[in-house]
Amino acid sequence: SQKIEQNSEALNIQEGKTATLTCNYTNYSPAYLQWYRQDPGRGPVFLLLIRENEKEKRKERLKVTFDTTLKQSLFHITASQPADSATYLCALVGAGNMLTFGGGTRLMVKP
Amino acid sequence: DSGVTQTPKHLITATGQRVTLRCSPRSGDLSVYWYQQSLDQGLQFLIQYYNGEERAKGNILERFSAQQFPDLHSELNLSSLELGDSALYFCASSVATEGNTIYFGEGSWLTVV
Repeated sequence: SQKIEQNSEALNIQEGKTATLTCNYTNYSPAYLQWYRQDPGRGPVFLLLIRENEKEKRKERLKVTFDTTLKQSLFHITASQPADSATYLCALVGAGNMLTFGGGTRLMVKP
Repeated sequence: DSGVTQTPKHLITATGQRVTLRCSPRSGDLSVYWYQQSLDQGLQFLIQYYNGEERAKGNILERFSAQQFPDLHSELNLSSLELGDSALYFCASSVATEGNTIYFGEGSWLTVV
């Protein structure tokens, strides 16, 4: 069956460091992958989309990589700030074109 | 503000009851999606509509139903409610059906007591 796995344990890092979050998937051949940010009690907010023929995508302090051989995406936040603390979700298009989300990884950036 | 409006924001109801959650998509968006988020299940896709037609179905219970109206707003109906239905229900919208950003509303908190 199709699976999207994100580290369910919270990631704690110090302000100014680079945060790296991982998304692994199995039994998917996604045309693209998306990353979202979710704050407690709020709706997810779209951050970045990367297509299967793109190795890397950047937006300000964010960088996403997509390795279709490893079936993995890495999400990096450079020069992290306490305001970056949130849960980050990766999402793939699955069967029937429905967007399926991973369980998310909670990031805590300490000042 | 994503432009997706959901009502009500909070709802408390008893087991066995029926509720309707309402969603207005962003202006110009034809696709509407419903997701359920509970603590132990994460964000679960329920159903998608595109321009009034059902497009994709996820893990939606038979007690739940949805529709999209000609003005593109959507309703999610939850009936014979059980305690386990307590969750945050999100509506999202996008311009088309794939390869697009989807925009989420702020959710409707449902508590079944």
